[in-house]
Amino acid sequence: EPEVTQTPSHQVTQMGQEVILRCVPISNHLYFYWYRQILGQKVEFLVSFYNNEISEKSEIFDDQFSVERPDGSNFTLKIRSTKLEDSAMYFCASKWTSGRDWETQYFGPGTRLLVL
Amino acid sequence: DQQVKQNSPSLSVQEGRISILNCDYTNSMFDYFLWYKKYPAEGPTFLISISSIKDKNEDGRFTVFLNKSAKHLSLHIVPSQPGDSAVYFCAASAPTGGGADGLTFGKGTHLIIQP
Repeated sequence: EPEVTQTPSHQVTQMGQEVILRCVPISNHLYFYWYRQILGQKVEFLVSFYNNEISEKSEIFDDQFSVERPDGSNFTLKIRSTKLEDSAMYFCASKWTSGRDWETQYFGPGTRLLVL
Repeated sequence: DQQVKQNSPSLSVQEGRISILNCDYTNSMFDYFLWYKKYPAEGPTFLISISSIKDKNEDGRFTVFLNKSAKHLSLHIVPSQPGDSAVYFCAASAPTGGGADGLTFGKGTHLIIQP
């Protein structure tokens, strides 16, 4: 069964450093998302991406964040200058546009980011 | 601002019995609702969904009920099995016109199935 994959599974970085989190969405999906879950809190929407541009973003997704689809398979989230409060689990998700569950987003296993 | 609320942080149910997980929402623009199951250190796994034009959707042991007037939905699992022990998240989306709507999640309910 097709699935969303994410790399790395864990990332430790120093405050102020740039990190890039990578995702390979399900191959025929057209909508892509990033979410995060800070420890003990709920999953929060960051950004959605469609047709090579940002479709929607939350207040969390400030100028420190950017997304890119550099080729036909990868979808990346870049944090330019990490802060301690960026420590969280980051989930990528993707969605198809038709079929019985056309509104359903499928999630990857996540990348645990720790900023020291 | 909790637009999606799961008021029970945990729920303990005996194996074989029915598990009922509840979710309330405040945003009347939500038109699609989903339940996800999550194990520690894994991503949310899609379970079942329902559109606002329906009031019930079934898939095997899982049934989701939607009461729009009460802004309430529930997930029923019958019969409950040990493998169902996990955190269950209720999520909702509102149409923004572009189709790439982000999901709003509840805080989750930790379901524990007792043998």
